[in-house]
Amino acid sequence: QKEVEQDPGPLSVPEGAIVSLNCTYSNSAFQYFMWYRQYSRKGPELLMYTYSSGNKEDGRFTAQVDKSSKYISLFIRDSQPSDSATYLCAMKGGNKLVFGAGTILRVKS
Amino acid sequence: SQTIHQWPATLVQPVGSPLSLECTVEGTSNPNLYWYRQAAGRGLQLLFYSVGIGQISSEVPQNLSASRPQDRQFILSSKKLLLSDSGFYLCAWSSRGLVKETQYFGPGTRLLVL
Repeated sequence: QKEVEQDPGPLSVPEGAIVSLNCTYSNSAFQYFMWYRQYSRKGPELLMYTYSSGNKEDGRFTAQVDKSSKYISLFIRDSQPSDSATYLCAMKGGNKLVFGAGTILRVKS
Repeated sequence: SQTIHQWPATLVQPVGSPLSLECTVEGTSNPNLYWYRQAAGRGLQLLFYSVGIGQISSEVPQNLSASRPQDRQFILSSKKLLLSDSGFYLCAWSSRGLVKETQYFGPGTRLLVL
């Protein structure tokens, strides 16, 4: 079993939809959670990070962490074609940092 | 503001040839530096990280090596490339003291070994 599981997609949605991207993990030592966005042939860019369970909001993006269920989510409201990219979750605990394989998102206009 | 550069952007090399990829960071001092490889459809694999000049930690055994000759310069090398070394190589930095926490990535180098 991988330490971090992320559905590779692709996830295809119409413009304006609410998008939910998810990762599950097995290592209870993970305490620090991040979401990155990666456009094709580019390096990942940090979208959000959080230490705690609960929700963190930044514009159209909301990161949610449920440590009891070992489940994290990224919600995108009013999705735009420019949101089309691969979204990577990442988690850190102790000296270990693990990335998910990424979910491909396609927003159709 | 901080910026991170990588070059070359794309590289095609024959099997058995040497490799040198360079990464430099601007706008910050004493950063932690990282080299990742990203294979198609797979997650980021951390190859090396460095907390200071001359200090290199290897995460996985492999055909590659890393060096940090200057504070904001990180180099990934190989003496003889293998076909399996093909991939997208990413350099990243994080603030001093926060090893493996919030990282900022460069534009990447796409390597194809033939």
